[in-house]
Amino acid sequence: KNEVEQSPQNLTAQEGEFITINCSYSVGISALHWLQQHPGGGIVSLFMLSSGKKKHGRLIATINIQEKHSSLHITASHPRDSAVYICAVRSGQGAQKLVFGQGTRLTINP
Amino acid sequence: EAQVTQNPRYLITVTGKKLTVTCSQNMNHEYMSWYRQDPGLGLRQIYYSMNVEVTDKGDVPEGYKVSRKEKRNFPLILESPSPNQTSLYFCASSLKGLAADTQYFGPGTRLTVL
Repeated sequence: KNEVEQSPQNLTAQEGEFITINCSYSVGISALHWLQQHPGGGIVSLFMLSSGKKKHGRLIATINIQEKHSSLHITASHPRDSAVYICAVRSGQGAQKLVFGQGTRLTINP
Repeated sequence: EAQVTQNPRYLITVTGKKLTVTCSQNMNHEYMSWYRQDPGLGLRQIYYSMNVEVTDKGDVPEGYKVSRKEKRNFPLILESPSPNQTSLYFCASSLKGLAADTQYFGPGTRLTVL
C-alpha cells in the first residue's frame, strides 16, 4: 500500500462543475503539498497545508490531520484547469523528504 | 524573473557515459531538491540539500550524486548512467524548507539512456 493515495486517478467533467480530488496518507506528517502539472510537463506548487483550509481564487484545499485526509476543490471548473494534480506529504519532524501520490488526471470539457 | 533553470532540457546518451544535469535558482533559496518522474511510479525524491555543503538522500538515491558548493546551484551527476535512469527529472527549490513554504520547480530534463 502506498503511503499517499489519491482518488480518483482520472476525472472528466464538464465546464462549470465543482471538482473534488482526494488525498489520504498513512504516515504522520508535518505538511501536505498540492501540485499542478500541466500537459506540457511543468509543475506548479498550489498549496502547502499543515492544518485547516486555504483558498486561492477558485481553488480550495482542506486538510483533516486526525483523519489523515486532504481534499482539493475547484469551483466553476474551466478547460484550463485540465492538468494532473499531485498530493505530496512531508513526513517526520525535521525530515525534508517528500512522498508523492500518483496524481489525478483532470480533464474539463467545454 | 524568479526562476529555477535546468540544463539540458533533453538529453539522449549511452550507458556508462558520465553526465551532469545542472540546476540553478536565482531566489537565494536555501532548500533544493531533485526528483524523477516515471509513468506508473509518479514523482520520487532523489536527493535534497538544506544549504551549502549539506545534502541528504531521498527515496531513490542509488546511481546519483549531488553537490552543493554554491547556494544557487545543485547539479545532479550520473557517474555511469544505465537505461533504468531514463526518466523525467525535476529540480526544485524553496526559501527555507518543505514545512515553511512552497517549492518552485524547474522545467524538467528528459533523459534517455540507451
